[in-house]
Amino acid sequence: AQTVTQSQPEMSVQEAETVTLSCTYDTSESDYYLFWYKQPPSRQMILVIRQEAYKQQNATENRFSVNFQKAAKSFSLKISDSQLGDAAMYFCAYRSAITSGSRLTFGEGTQLTVNP
Amino acid sequence: NAGVTQTPKFRILKIGQSMTLQCTQDMNHNYMYWYRQDPGMGLKLIYYSVGAGITDKGEVPNGYNVSRSTTEDFPLRLELAAPSQTSVYFCASSYVNNQPQHFGDGTRLSIL
Repeated sequence: AQTVTQSQPEMSVQEAETVTLSCTYDTSESDYYLFWYKQPPSRQMILVIRQEAYKQQNATENRFSVNFQKAAKSFSLKISDSQLGDAAMYFCAYRSAITSGSRLTFGEGTQLTVNP
Repeated sequence: NAGVTQTPKFRILKIGQSMTLQCTQDMNHNYMYWYRQDPGMGLKLIYYSVGAGITDKGEVPNGYNVSRSTTEDFPLRLELAAPSQTSVYFCASSYVNNQPQHFGDGTRLSIL
């Protein structure tokens, strides 16, 4: 079974600064997808960014980018120019590309605080 | 575009009561999922469905049942509610494996 580990329960960053959230995972599969989801206090689950394991290029979405290290099974999220609206719980998630209808396996989350 | 709609948003149950959490999606997605999120934790899969008439258990299925009679609807039934089922429940859907899952806004359920 796959597991996802987020070793930072809480992180904080000053507004306009850069912060990196860590995520590691364990799998024996070679083809899979990795995601970062944001959950603000409204508790909506908002997709931030997605990475396909067969793509070597790191995904980027505006101020959000990832550092995907497949051999090390590491998938960190970098938030540049942090904004107050970035404050939320962030979840890293894994999804198999092999198993039909495969579920998301989530880490336990990192609570990000953005200080003005 | 409604996306994934969950009802109700909040509910309080007494121990031993039963209820059904409703989930409907208007995106013609094949795959649908039910997750629960306990305080300070990530989401755990309860049940999922890959199409109408097909359902399967996830990590934490005990105490729950599901059905999928249509593509759009995927209700989750709690039988004999227990305090351990106090949680926030999320329904999600996706078209195929390589597409992200879309989440509903969640149902906060308390069992007292």
